[in-house]
Amino acid sequence: GQSLEQPSEVTAVEGAIVQINCTYQTSGFYGLSWYQQHDGGAPTFLSYNALDGLEETGRFSSFLSRSDSYGYLLLQELQMKDSASYFCAVSRYSSASKIIFGSGTRLSIRP
Amino acid sequence: DSGVTQTPKHLITATGQRVTLRCSPRSGDLSVYWYQQSLDQGLQFLIQYYNGEERAKGNILERFSAQQFPDLHSELNLSSLELGDSALYFCASSVVGSGGREEYEQFFGPGTRLTVL
Repeated sequence: GQSLEQPSEVTAVEGAIVQINCTYQTSGFYGLSWYQQHDGGAPTFLSYNALDGLEETGRFSSFLSRSDSYGYLLLQELQMKDSASYFCAVSRYSSASKIIFGSGTRLSIRP
Repeated sequence: DSGVTQTPKHLITATGQRVTLRCSPRSGDLSVYWYQQSLDQGLQFLIQYYNGEERAKGNILERFSAQQFPDLHSELNLSSLELGDSALYFCASSVVGSGGREEYEQFFGPGTRLTVL
């Protein structure tokens, strides 16, 4: 079967660092993506990892370990505007059309 | 603004009815994807079109169908609506449809909120 596991909720303090984990189980894994979605808004693309290692984009970094079927999204210098839901998504085989999204992690930032 | 447009923004209808949701992709994007998001749920991939052709199907019900027109806009048709079809329906587009990093960066429209009463 196919599944993605990520925590349903995470709370962090403004200015701190938070890590959102994602474990997956799927055949034909090709890559792991992360999307951000604010309440009432549309998902926006954050990052994509096809190879093991860390990808850094500003305050956000994403990590993948294919051997562990595990990835995470790291958010640094948290700002209140980072309060949103974060979805990991697995791409299967070589086509993004076979994308499976996790149920999302709701990140709440406290002052 | 992602450049992807969806109409209508809200739609309220009754069970048993049929509705059509419309999506215009970003200029230059050939791939269009449709997703369903129920309350506090993740995104369920429904179907993908690439340059007018159906590319892949996800968990799309037989009561649902879609098409992509020569001008690349797409329509999602939902028929014999049930209460459980109430959800946000997102359209997304990407540059290519055959793999590569560019395809994984999908640009989402604002969504159509469908309420079935």
